Amino acid sequence: DAGITQSPRHKVTETGTPVTLRCHQTENHRYMYWYRQDPGHGLRLIHYSYGVKDTDKGEVSDGYSVSRSKTEDFLLTLESATSSQTSVYFCAISDRQSYTEAFFGQGTRLTVV
Amino acid sequence: GQQVMQIPQYQHVQEGEDFTTYCNSSTTLSNIQWYKQRPGGHPVFLIQLVKSGEVKKQKRLTFQFGEAKKNSSLHITATQTTDVGTYFCAGTNTGNQFYFGTGTSLTVIP
Repeated sequence: DAGITQSPRHKVTETGTPVTLRCHQTENHRYMYWYRQDPGHGLRLIHYSYGVKDTDKGEVSDGYSVSRSKTEDFLLTLESATSSQTSVYFCAISDRQSYTEAFFGQGTRLTVV
Repeated sequence: GQQVMQIPQYQHVQEGEDFTTYCNSSTTLSNIQWYKQRPGGHPVFLIQLVKSGEVKKQKRLTFQFGEAKKNSSLHITATQTTDVGTYFCAGTNTGNQFYFGTGTSLTVIP
């Protein structure tokens, strides 16, 4: 497996609280992605990064922000968690956008109560 | 909205039967990738198709990319219990946006 680690692996939080998920890679890949996975929706892109401090929105970015201050770390923040953000979150990395395989982390199961 | 649709959403087969999942896009795709996710696991890359009409095989798995580059299929011959999981396609459209399909969950009954 590629060197990609997500933390935490599981989290339960209350509505209205901020939450930060971390993705750490040791592959020096340029592109990093955050996806959420929900039944019937597959994997939906939240935000992605194409370099340090270079990020862009995906198809479901509302309520989420990201930061990438180092090549190896990509943080996803839920500013004020809502129950609709209960999901499994996956981080992925790739060397080139779209045309090379993406390597996924183990996932973070987030429950907002 | 969802750019890449996949059917069926669920499929149950007896061990030894064949299985096919289809991926359809309303727009032309530059490439298509296929991933497999085991229950409780994370998606793992299987293959990428780039050329119109391309066919690739991996043991019992056959992948096709349509002539118009708007659809793709994954066919598994003689399924085994190790094939259980969700299969996702992922395509890049002409705007260089990359979308995953909704996935097909395969259950293999021993």
